[in-house]
Amino acid sequence: SAVISQKPSRDICQRGTSLTIQCQVDSQVTMMFWYRQQPGQSLTLIATANQGSEATYESGFVIDKFPISRPNLTFSTLTVSNMSPEDSSIYLCSARPGTDINTGELFFGEGSRLTVL
Amino acid sequence: KQEVTQIPAALSVPEGENLVLNCSFTDSAIYNLQWFRQDPGKGLTSLLLIQSSQREQTSGRLNASLDKSSGRSTLYIAASQPGDSATYLCAVRRFQGAQKLVFGQGTRLTINP
Repeated sequence: SAVISQKPSRDICQRGTSLTIQCQVDSQVTMMFWYRQQPGQSLTLIATANQGSEATYESGFVIDKFPISRPNLTFSTLTVSNMSPEDSSIYLCSARPGTDINTGELFFGEGSRLTVL
Repeated sequence: KQEVTQIPAALSVPEGENLVLNCSFTDSAIYNLQWFRQDPGKGLTSLLLIQSSQREQTSGRLNASLDKSSGRSTLYIAASQPGDSATYLCAVRRFQGAQKLVFGQGTRLTINP
């Protein structure tokens, strides 16, 4: 298993500002994933973050809005830029333990609940 | 395009009952399927992972089955307890090289004391 820590756990933000969410995994992982869960909805993958290369974004998500850093094998950040009320969501970090990307369970952090006023 | 559906959207049962949650997926060519639990406003807790070659997995009072040919999985909860109240999500991984999980909308389960 993996223990994934996220911070902040929640925040209330003003329109037009940006917020960076941090994610720490207790073991080295090849890939880390950022998901968004809008109110009352299921999870949607934003991007996949590899150490040492640019993140890969899913359709509908762009780097200018959601820049991601992955400086090492245990840490990643997601920034939500120029926020609007539509960005109010739970943002979840996830990873598969170990360096074998083809097997294993996906584990999630506790999520970061953002409310944009 | 893979789509995952969970029915019912919500379920309320008295404590002590055995219950089944359903998950269906449109493309039977999956790599694995994972069940999660989510408490309100929180992250996801992994419950069970079933590889495409397996038919079921068990953990405590939970048993998950997989029928790839029919595109269905069920999560069986035995002797339900109020602490089991949560939203249960299933998610499929399409193929070995795919890292993305496709999630269902979840079933919100309430166990009444």
